Amino acid sequence: AQSVTQLGSHVSVSEGALVLLRCNYSSSVPPYLFWYVQYPNQGLQLLLKYTSAATLVKGINGFEAEFKKSETSFHLTKPSAHMSDAAEYFCAVSDQANTDKLIFGTGTRLQVFP
Amino acid sequence: KAGVTQTPRYLIKTRGQQVTLSCSPISGHRSVSWYQQTPGQGLQFLFEYFSETQRNKGNFPGRFSGRQFSNSRSEMNVSTLELGDSALYLCASSSGTVTYEQYFGPGTRLTVT
Repeated sequence: AQSVTQLGSHVSVSEGALVLLRCNYSSSVPPYLFWYVQYPNQGLQLLLKYTSAATLVKGINGFEAEFKKSETSFHLTKPSAHMSDAAEYFCAVSDQANTDKLIFGTGTRLQVFP
Repeated sequence: KAGVTQTPRYLIKTRGQQVTLSCSPISGHRSVSWYQQTPGQGLQFLFEYFSETQRNKGNFPGRFSGRQFSNSRSEMNVSTLELGDSALYLCASSSGTVTYEQYFGPGTRLTVT
């Protein structure tokens, strides 16, 4: 069965610092991986996705993620944090047979300090 | 294009009652998925409908049901509400084919008292 582990339920960074949110997956088949962001009292917004094309995926708002099969990881990064990045971030996996069924990680709340 | 809309946004119900939530997908999208979000269990998949047929189902009791209409709008119903059903219910739509992108609505916040 597919699963996702997000290390660190809370991450705090200073404005302008590197953002690194960790995600490891477990999948018996090549996975499709996603990062979503959720702002307070809102739904989820897709940041980026990996669907077996380029291993370095660029998303919106300056975020990117690298798929590393050897490490079963799909960490999310942003070179310079902005105050508006403060939100909760979810990593998710789906398998190719059920692409509209997403298995989510437990989420990482990002705080950005001035 | 208009995004995914969910109604109502907030709902308060009493234990034992039933509730129906509605979701209108993005125009042209044929797949609608439902998720439950709670602080304790996180985001959990409920079910997915594609062209009026349930295509996938999560591990929820039979009290949770859904349907999809010919215009792709979807409803989910929860009967005999329990306190633990208090949650944010999110609907997501997609083309249902190869784009692998789901677009989420703002959710319906259900409180069961």
